[in-house]
Amino acid sequence: GAVVSQHPSRVICKSGTSVKIECRSLDFQATTMFWYRQFPKKSLMLMATSNEGSKATYEQGVEKDKFLINHASLTLSTLTVTSAHPEDSSFYICSASVSGSYEQYFGPGTRLTVT
Amino acid sequence: EDKVVQSPLSLVVHEGDTVTLNCSYEVTNFRSLLWYKQEKKAPTFLFMLTSSGIEKKSGRLSSILDKKELFSILNITATQTGDSAVYLCAVKHSNYQLIWGAGTKLIIKP
Repeated sequence: GAVVSQHPSRVICKSGTSVKIECRSLDFQATTMFWYRQFPKKSLMLMATSNEGSKATYEQGVEKDKFLINHASLTLSTLTVTSAHPEDSSFYICSASVSGSYEQYFGPGTRLTVT
Repeated sequence: EDKVVQSPLSLVVHEGDTVTLNCSYEVTNFRSLLWYKQEKKAPTFLFMLTSSGIEKKSGRLSSILDKKELFSILNITATQTGDSAVYLCAVKHSNYQLIWGAGTKLIIKP
């Protein structure tokens, strides 16, 4: 149980285009979803926290107009990287949790390359 | 099906004790194994292991990988209350995707 999937697993896009990454909880309802970015030294940076039906809460330094997060249902959150630039190339990971639980279930990640 | 299993799921010890957390995996096309500590926001990276038998050490924490038996352990000696956290193990596939364990919740009592 508690499986989180991400789609696509890898995406290459051209500079200036937008790309959408989906995060789905497959066998549970996720009241909260988190989006992370993994840096080359393997550290994870929390980008934003989204609760179903509410606007996402962005961490300091993360541009909300550039990284659009939508959590329209209890099983789906999307991250859209708008007007992507090569410096946005990274590994994006989502996680999901259930209200009242400390446990987070992580997705496999999406590798974004912007050319 | 690729999977990562961590044990125990939770552990309560007293300050000063030594703990060993386990992570076993069945992953085709293994690339590396990562350990993270999660307290509040983002998981904090601890170790990345790629080779068998080479211990990685950082202060009171150490970790080692056994690629023959397909597991890794994370040791914490002389535990402190600040070590209380969820410890996550993830295996990186050759396609760069991560397969996560469920985590071990460690509670250190003063």
